[in-house]
Amino acid sequence: EPEVTQTPSHQVTQMGQEVILRCVPISNHLYFYWYRQILGQKVEFLVSFYNNEISEKSEIFDDQFSVERPDGSNFTLKIRSTKLEDSAMYFCASSESGHGNQPQHFGDGTRLSIL
Amino acid sequence: GESVGLHLPTLSVQEGDNSIINCAYSNSASDYFIWYKQESGKGPQFIIDIRSNMDKRQGQRVTVLLNKTVKHLSLQIAATQPGDSAVYFCAEGTYNQGGKLIFGQGTELSVKP
Repeated sequence: EPEVTQTPSHQVTQMGQEVILRCVPISNHLYFYWYRQILGQKVEFLVSFYNNEISEKSEIFDDQFSVERPDGSNFTLKIRSTKLEDSAMYFCASSESGHGNQPQHFGDGTRLSIL
Repeated sequence: GESVGLHLPTLSVQEGDNSIINCAYSNSASDYFIWYKQESGKGPQFIIDIRSNMDKRQGQRVTVLLNKTVKHLSLQIAATQPGDSAVYFCAEGTYNQGGKLIFGQGTELSVKP
């Protein structure tokens, strides 16, 4: 069964540094998402992306964050000038449609630890 | 503001029994609701969804019930198995929000053999 893959599984970074989290969505999917989950808390929506544009973003997704689809297979989340509170699991998801009639499939996440 | 929450943070059941996991939501404009299962070290795994114009939907060993009057969603798992042990999240979405899902806090289901 096709799946969303994320790399790396664990990223340790010094505060203030930039990180890029990578995702390979399911190949025939057109909608892509990033979510984060702080330890012990619920999953929070960050951003949705379609046709090389952001469709929706949350208040968390400020100027520190950016997303990109650099080629036909990867979808990345860049976090600039990382802060301690950016430590979390970051999940990528993809779906065939963005209107809720097709489910979002999640990767297993990247654990980001900011020191 | 809009929110999705869960009544019970933990649920322990005997193998073979039925499990019921509950969820309350506050956004009456939500168009669809989804249940996800999250095992340790894994991402959320889609279980079943339901549209706001439905009140019941069945899958394999799972049933989702939606009560819009009291803004309540439940997931019923029949003949619960040890492999069902996980954290279960409800999530809700609205068609005009680019696929944005709002997740609840999660309920940890523990199945005793």
